[in-house]
Amino acid sequence: AQSVAQPEDQVNVAEGNPLTVKCTYSVSGNPYLFWYVQYPNRGLQFLLKYITGDNLVKGSYGFEAEFNKSQTSFHLKKPSALVSDSALYFCAVRDGTGFQKLVFGTGTRLLVSP
Amino acid sequence: DVKVTQSSRYLVKRTGEKVFLECVQDMDHENMFWYRQDPGLGLRLIYFSYDVKMKEKGDIPEGYSVSREKKERFSLILESASTNQTSMYLCASSLSGRGPDQPQHFGDGTRLSIL
Repeated sequence: AQSVAQPEDQVNVAEGNPLTVKCTYSVSGNPYLFWYVQYPNRGLQFLLKYITGDNLVKGSYGFEAEFNKSQTSFHLKKPSALVSDSALYFCAVRDGTGFQKLVFGTGTRLLVSP
Repeated sequence: DVKVTQSSRYLVKRTGEKVFLECVQDMDHENMFWYRQDPGLGLRLIYFSYDVKMKEKGDIPEGYSVSREKKERFSLILESASTNQTSMYLCASSLSGRGPDQPQHFGDGTRLSIL
């Protein structure tokens, strides 16, 4: 079965510093990977996806993610963090069925301090 | 932009009540999903639907049912609410038939408390 793991419950970073939010995956077949962000009292917003092609995927709000097949990882990155990036981040993988179901990680809270 | 609207942001109900959570999307999406979100557990899929009147169980369907009579509307029903169903409920929709890469679009959630 498909699964994702987000090993960090929380990541703390100072504004202006680079940030990384980690995700590892386990799939049978091709991995279809997604990152979502959730701001307080809101639903999830799509950030970016990896389907095929370049290992570095660019998304919304200056975020990017690096796909590494050998390490089965899909880490979310941003070169310079903003206080407004503070939110809950979810990694997800498409499941192996024909339906477009997603399997989500448990989420990582990002706190960016001024 | 896709708009997914959940009828209530906050809801308080009593144990044993039948509870309806409504979700409407305005982009003619075929797929619709209901999740519950709990701290430390992430999102867990309750039910989904890939067409009108079609429904499939997700990972935690017990105690829930769904209804999809129209393409734009997907309802989640708690048959007899219990305190362990206190949670944040999120509805989502997506296109289908165009490969596995369609993102899901989420509503803002309904925070349901069962007393």
